[in-house]
Amino acid sequence: GQNIDQPTEMTATEGAIVQINCTYQTSGFNGLFWYQQHAGEAPTFLSYNVLDGLEEKGRFSSFLSRSKGYSYLLLKELQMKDSASYLCAGLDSNYQLIWGAGTKLIIKP
Amino acid sequence: IAGITQAPTSQILAAGRRMTLRCTQDMRHNAMYWYRQDLGLGLRLIHYSNTAGTTGKGEVPDGYSVSRANTDDFPLTLASAVPSQTSVYFCASSVGSAGELFFGEGSRLTVL
Repeated sequence: GQNIDQPTEMTATEGAIVQINCTYQTSGFNGLFWYQQHAGEAPTFLSYNVLDGLEEKGRFSSFLSRSKGYSYLLLKELQMKDSASYLCAGLDSNYQLIWGAGTKLIIKP
Repeated sequence: IAGITQAPTSQILAAGRRMTLRCTQDMRHNAMYWYRQDLGLGLRLIHYSNTAGTTGKGEVPDGYSVSRANTDDFPLTLASAVPSQTSVYFCASSVGSAGELFFGEGSRLTVL
């Protein structure tokens, strides 16, 4: 079956770096997305990886290894506003998104 | 800038009642989606539409129906609501079927 695994919750300190991991099993693969969702709000797009390697976008970077079925989202210089849930989603061969349950990131001062 | 508008934002509904959640986008996106989000679970696709005039079933379509009469509107109907349909419902759109999703603000539905 298809599955996305990511940790349920993580805690980090303001100003630090945190890495949120995601492993995926999909029927075929057409890319991996990361979304951010603040409590009570809609998800918003962060990144899309379809080739192996690191994509950097400001304080946020996303990495993909297709051979390992693995991705991570790296957040640098953490700010209190980064407290949110981070959703990993894989795009399968039918171009359907398979979503993880999300990782709730708690930032402490 | 509107993007995607959902209505209502919140609703309490008696079991057995019919309910339509409205979704309108002004981005001229071809693809639209309805998801439900429940605590501890990932977003689950209810129905989708790749283009006006076509719809398809997602992962959890039972008890829900949709229509796509034009590009902008994609309403979701619960014919006879049940308590298990208590959830937050998100409408989303994308340029194509594989692109970045743009979400509405969500509709919180409680079925008693």
